[in-house]
Amino acid sequence: GAGVSQSPRYKVAKRGQDVALRCDPISGHVSLFWYQQALGQGPEFLTYFQNEAQLDKSGLPSDRFFAERPEGSVSTLKIQRTQQEDSAVYLCASSVTGGEGQPQHFGDGTRLSIL
Amino acid sequence: AQTVTQSQPEMSVQEAETVTLSCTYDTSESNYYLFWYKQPPSRQMILVIRQEAYKQQNATENRFSVNFQKAAKSFSLKISDSQLGDTAMYFCAFMINSGYALNFGKGTSLLVTP
Repeated sequence: GAGVSQSPRYKVAKRGQDVALRCDPISGHVSLFWYQQALGQGPEFLTYFQNEAQLDKSGLPSDRFFAERPEGSVSTLKIQRTQQEDSAVYLCASSVTGGEGQPQHFGDGTRLSIL
Repeated sequence: AQTVTQSQPEMSVQEAETVTLSCTYDTSESNYYLFWYKQPPSRQMILVIRQEAYKQQNATENRFSVNFQKAAKSFSLKISDSQLGDTAMYFCAFMINSGYALNFGKGTSLLVTP
């Protein structure tokens, strides 16, 4: 596709359930990023992949959060045993290469609501 | 750590008028990049403009221009001839030269009225 694609667009889960959010980056983009955007706030960095390698996961809030990109294209962000504070919009972005001020291209995000 | 501050939570402008959104940042780095992103209700972050800190010339992109004051650590966005489609959240963001993550401000909600 032409842009970054994320699915599902909305996800409602009960507290304690596991969820999986998908990101399909722009074809050929080496770098992939996940951000978390709480209501009324700017996005905050979660994790960074270069191809299949997860180079930085310092922004993941807890060990309940796990991200993977096994073949260097599609990425999945998994949240285990969800809690209410996990409610947010999760944005995925990709860029041709990481760093050097490369513009990041964002998807529409997944709005996660934990009941 | 780098911080980005957007001091105007909300702004309003009439169609065809000019509006300036403020952004200040704090960093000890000398080489970095600054961005303005637009986020309409559809949620997709759209890059508006990008500035390289080592370039003195202010970036422009059609109706959008920046006033980059490196010594003051200020990076404001000017929107000329505002259009209804400019209504959105605007985020200022920072990236250090050796880094890759974007560091965002809290955003300014801009409403363009007829």
